[in-house]
Amino acid sequence: GQQLNQSPQSMFIQEGEDVSMNCTSSSIFNTWLWYKQDPGEGPVLLIALYKAGELTSNGRLTAQFGITRKDSFLNISASIPSDVGIYFCAGPTGNQFYFGTGTSLTVIP
Amino acid sequence: NAGVTQTPKFRILKIGQSMTLQCAQDMNHNYMYWYRQDPGMGLKLIYYSVGAGITDKGEVPNGYNVSRSTTEDFPLRLELAAPSQTSVYFCASSPVFDGYTFGSGTRLTVV
Repeated sequence: GQQLNQSPQSMFIQEGEDVSMNCTSSSIFNTWLWYKQDPGEGPVLLIALYKAGELTSNGRLTAQFGITRKDSFLNISASIPSDVGIYFCAGPTGNQFYFGTGTSLTVIP
Repeated sequence: NAGVTQTPKFRILKIGQSMTLQCAQDMNHNYMYWYRQDPGMGLKLIYYSVGAGITDKGEVPNGYNVSRSTTEDFPLRLELAAPSQTSVYFCASSPVFDGYTFGSGTRLTVV
């Protein structure tokens, strides 16, 4: 199947710090999605990207569709405790969306 | 405002038993999906459906079966449970092939 690599695998940061994470794929995507999963819940869509170079924001979150179309980036500014969770990227191949392995974020108050 | 509803939330099965994981959505979405999530492994697609009466295999379909007789429901069947099927199962739906709405998951343990 499709390989989506996310880094870092986990992050421990102080409240108020900015966060950066990325996702790379072995093939070109036309869409990138970023999800957040709270403990014990299903993933929730944060941001969708549809065009190479696109930069989209959702509150304190900003995501970018890489120029090569093989990567995407998610930034969180001024982190707060409720940002804790696992962040997943996803991209489509054929009739399937493939998900990355996730970046686990811990915010220390 | 239910969205995607999965039942049960938790289940323990013995090896060789069978069960059906239920999934229902009230958003009139055509696309429905079943994923499994193993620790540190992200989500893997088991089966998906693009409309009532149409289903297709995903990345990891072995040991599972699905049916889609209505737009609203997309049950996942495990016929002979194996320890390798211990996982958290998520159902999702979408109006088109795009960002999904996920259910809250079913945590299954096979012992």
